[in-house]
Amino acid sequence: ILNVEQSPQSLHVQEGDSTNFTCSFPSSNFYALHWYRWETAKSPEALFVMTLNGDEKKKGRISATLNTKEGYSYLYIKGSQPEDSATYLCAFGDGGSQGNLIFGKGTKLSVKP
Amino acid sequence: GAVVSQHPSWVICKSGTSVKIECRSLDFQATTMFWYRQFPKQSLMLMATSNEGSKATYEQGVEKDKFLINHASLTLSTLTVTSAHPEDSSFYICSARTGHRYEQYFGPGTRLTVT
Repeated sequence: ILNVEQSPQSLHVQEGDSTNFTCSFPSSNFYALHWYRWETAKSPEALFVMTLNGDEKKKGRISATLNTKEGYSYLYIKGSQPEDSATYLCAFGDGGSQGNLIFGKGTKLSVKP
Repeated sequence: GAVVSQHPSWVICKSGTSVKIECRSLDFQATTMFWYRQFPKQSLMLMATSNEGSKATYEQGVEKDKFLINHASLTLSTLTVTSAHPEDSSFYICSARTGHRYEQYFGPGTRLTVT
């Protein structure tokens, strides 16, 4: 059974703090790693799709890195703002024909003003 | 772009009744749609994958006669929970994929409560 682990489960930071969290996934049969941002009562929003070992992606204050050989990805948020409060999901794709994704449980971030 | 809607956003039904949830891609054609379920403090678990015009592929442990999936067009998939039981109470969320193989766009989800 393929397992995707995310840590920490939840995180409380002050506005302006920088933070990061981890996604661990199987290092075999890797095809793609997705990060989503999910605010309450809204649709999960795609942040990044990463496919290459060593890949680094950035979107504003949010960036992500990927290590496919050891099976982990980090998501970084620089200078957290209250609007960054959300659950951050990662999902592993093994390249199957249907493009199925296996999700972690997410990291719930709360940013206090 | 790439907006997916889901209806209803929440529903309460009585045990033994059936409930239909709709998932629509509003501005793109979805060749594949996915249905997930999420129990409290758990991850999104894939229930089934449906391709337009063909039968859905169900994940192990998901009863196909209980969770009927219809993907009749490139913009609409429906999930019908038949003869609902309280243990079916959960959060159901769909996603849709376009031509790009691994981008999935999600709906906002449906909270089902069976009393």
